Amino acid sequence: GAVVSQHPSRVICKSGTSVKIECRSLDFQATTMFWYRQFPKKSLMLMATSNEGSKATYEQGVEKDKFLINHASLTLSTLTVTSAHPEDSSFYICSAGGTGGFSYEQYFGPGTRLTVT
Amino acid sequence: GENVEQHPSTLSVQEGDSAVIKCTYSDSASNYFPWYKQELGKGPQLIIDIRSNVGEKKDQRIAVTLNKTAKHFSLHITETQPEDSAVYFCAANPSGTYKYIFGTGTRLKVLA
Repeated sequence: GAVVSQHPSRVICKSGTSVKIECRSLDFQATTMFWYRQFPKKSLMLMATSNEGSKATYEQGVEKDKFLINHASLTLSTLTVTSAHPEDSSFYICSAGGTGGFSYEQYFGPGTRLTVT
Repeated sequence: GENVEQHPSTLSVQEGDSAVIKCTYSDSASNYFPWYKQELGKGPQLIIDIRSNVGEKKDQRIAVTLNKTAKHFSLHITETQPEDSAVYFCAANPSGTYKYIFGTGTRLKVLA
């Protein structure tokens, strides 16, 4: 149980274009989803927290107009990187939590590697 | 805000030996401490977790200990195997929230 998928696994886009990454919880309803960014050989940095049906909460220093997050249902959250630039190239990972009660566990997707040329 | 420090950054052990990774946190309101294993190019996988009302938890070869007073927690892997080689991250939830702050990671290499 607690499987989270991400799509696509890899994407290459040109500078100035936008790219959307999907995160799905496959076998449970996730009230909360989280988006992280990870640079090579570095730790995971929390970008934002999204709750189903409400606006995402962004961490300090993360541009909400650049990283658009939508959490339209209990099983799907999307991250759109708008007007992408080479410095946005990174490994983006989502996680899903809030499986019920007072559960703190987060289950992570396999990640999406974004390369902006 | 919460700060999580993790040591060592790299760790090499012989197969069959034990490995210990340590983390400290700054926010005394943190009450949940998970450990994740991340293999190259993949997402992190939860391997064990501990809540603040417990001092130790064990699952087969993996154990976690928590010292709330000192604000540190440790991951113990016994009888290490080559497939244990990966990057391990600790995390804590700041102010008892549902979000995590991650440690800097430990690259574990188990030598056959």
